[in-house]
Amino acid sequence: NAGVMQNPRHLVRRRGQEARLRCSPMKGHSHVYWYRQLPEEGLKFMVYLQKENIIDESGMPKERFSAEFPKEGPSILRIQQVVRGDSAAYFCASSPDKAGASNQPQHFGDGTRLSIL
Amino acid sequence: GQQLNQSPQSMFIQEGEDVSMNCTSSSIFNTWLWYKQEPGEGPVLLIALYKAGELTSNGRLTAQFGITRKDSFLNISASIPSDVGIYFCAGFRGAGNNRKLIWGLGTSLAVNP
Repeated sequence: NAGVMQNPRHLVRRRGQEARLRCSPMKGHSHVYWYRQLPEEGLKFMVYLQKENIIDESGMPKERFSAEFPKEGPSILRIQQVVRGDSAAYFCASSPDKAGASNQPQHFGDGTRLSIL
Repeated sequence: GQQLNQSPQSMFIQEGEDVSMNCTSSSIFNTWLWYKQEPGEGPVLLIALYKAGELTSNGRLTAQFGITRKDSFLNISASIPSDVGIYFCAGFRGAGNNRKLIWGLGTSLAVNP
């Protein structure tokens, strides 16, 4: 399967715990995007990363949320001290490296559904 | 955040009918994308449009990039039950570090067999 891989598919945490969501982009893609989606709503952009760099984090909450995309390994979206309002589906997307990548479509994973007890 | 105006918000149709949905904006876009999302899954790219006036088909789906670059439509012909899902439009604006992908809120499609 050469698609965007996200894990876990479902994650349950208690209030105050940490949540780590992982995303492996498609082969040959070094642009990664994280989105959040509430039930019956559209996608809300959170952060755009390239290898080892955060390019745009304008959609990230200022506190408790962080993202990284290391040189080796998957991209990680980390939520510290989770609260009930963090319950949502979190989607990762990636786009290719080739020239003109600025307008290349993003390809999505199947998401991580985070539930906070 | 900024979003596209996508309509209709939802549609309930009979199998075999044609469907049309659109996205509009007061701003100019340089790429339009149409995605479909089924329950429990991530959005899947259906059609990408890169030039004003471009008309592209993918099976029973046809999409057009508006001449003014401020709108796009998606048509589905002869709908079938598996067309059920939420259809999102998205468009790229700006360039370089100011490039942004803006999303519509989706059109929810239900098909009655």
